[in-house]
Amino acid sequence: QQQVKQSPQSLIVQKGGISIINCAYENTAFDYFPWYQQFPGKGPALLIAIRPDVSEKKEGRFTISFNKSAKQFSLHIMDSQPGDSATYFCAARDYGQNFVFGPGTRLSVLP
Amino acid sequence: DGGITQSPKYLFRKEGQNVTLSCEQNLNHDAMYWYRQDPGQGLRLIYYSQIVNDFQKGDIAEGYSVSREKKESFPLTVTSAQKNPTAFYLCASTFPSRGTGELFFGEGSRLTVL
Repeated sequence: QQQVKQSPQSLIVQKGGISIINCAYENTAFDYFPWYQQFPGKGPALLIAIRPDVSEKKEGRFTISFNKSAKQFSLHIMDSQPGDSATYFCAARDYGQNFVFGPGTRLSVLP
Repeated sequence: DGGITQSPKYLFRKEGQNVTLSCEQNLNHDAMYWYRQDPGQGLRLIYYSQIVNDFQKGDIAEGYSVSREKKESFPLTVTSAQKNPTAFYLCASTFPSRGTGELFFGEGSRLTVL
């Protein structure tokens, strides 16, 4: 079964700090790596995504770093804010258009 | 506005009853998915459908059934055979072969078995 591993399970960061969430995968047939943000009681929403031919993508305070050879990718949230407190999921899509999700990281940003 | 609508938002079921969760999208997406979310386990795929009148089992299909008679609709039935149905259920859709491939989610349906 395809897997995406994600760590840490939970993360507490001070306001203004950097939040870092790491993911790793095994299947080389993945072609798209999105990150989703989910607030309690809501559906996940796409935050940022990257394709394997790119090593880094930045959108505002959010950056994905992608290491194809190590099969790892990470989300960095700069200048973390209390409004960023949510659960974050990394995911990977295979060529069959199916998505595999990591178990999630619960981020708490303290004011 | 375009989007995915799931209903009901909350549902209570007695043991032994079948329940059906509705999922409707007006995004003209071809592919639709059902996921189950439990605390600490991420999203697990129940069923998916790439086109009308066709669907495939996901990783945890046992005790669930779906239909895809219309492009816009992908209802999920939680049958009495599902041993532990209490969970948060998420419907999603995407264009498989166009655009960024972004997966759009509904707001979810929370099912509680009494």
